[in-house]
Amino acid sequence: EAQVTQNPRYLITVTGKKLTVTCSQNMNHEYMSWYRQDPGLGLRQIYYSMNVEVTDKGDVPEGYKVSRKEKRNFPLILESPSPNQTSLYFCASSLRVSASLGYGYTFGSGTRLTVV
Amino acid sequence: AQTVTQSQPEMSVQEAETVTLSCTYDTSESDYYLFWYKQPPSRQMILVIRQEAYKQQNATENRFSVNFQKAAKSFSLKISDSQLGDAAMYFCAYMSNNNDMRFGAGTRLTVKP
Repeated sequence: EAQVTQNPRYLITVTGKKLTVTCSQNMNHEYMSWYRQDPGLGLRQIYYSMNVEVTDKGDVPEGYKVSRKEKRNFPLILESPSPNQTSLYFCASSLRVSASLGYGYTFGSGTRLTVV
Repeated sequence: AQTVTQSQPEMSVQEAETVTLSCTYDTSESDYYLFWYKQPPSRQMILVIRQEAYKQQNATENRFSVNFQKAAKSFSLKISDSQLGDAAMYFCAYMSNNNDMRFGAGTRLTVKP
């Protein structure tokens, strides 16, 4: 089954304790992206990657890191989480628009992160 | 940068009635794609309908249709014969040719039995 697998689904952690949210896709998509969803703000892009070893900042990158060492994996790293990073996080992937005819993203099932 | 605006934080509709969710966007591009996503309590992002900007014909998927007004930069979603299962958060989204996708703040739809 074609999908984006995101883990964990729920995570509660303490301020300052490094954590990683994993994201893996099995569709050979070049493009991958991380979003955070907050009430009244919709989904905002944190980081994205156009291909292996190519990553770039989105609208809200502060406090986050990513890596793209393999095409299928795009982990999100919070090296020193703070309470303002409490949010719902989504990983998404897609083919390039030129190949996909703009069919949009496939989303992971989301990670609810709470930082206390 | 492109922006997407959903001016209705909450909407309510009676079961079997029709409801329209509004969305406007701002862009200087001529070629792009527009989407409506549904997010039920399960949190999954489900694609409802998509529209290519170069197509004048409005997209339709069963009970879901859009009113795409390119000059006005408007992309509203009409849900006909509303069902209890339509209750969810709905997000309007804009995607440019570089794969960048922007979302509105969302509209929470309640369906009353």
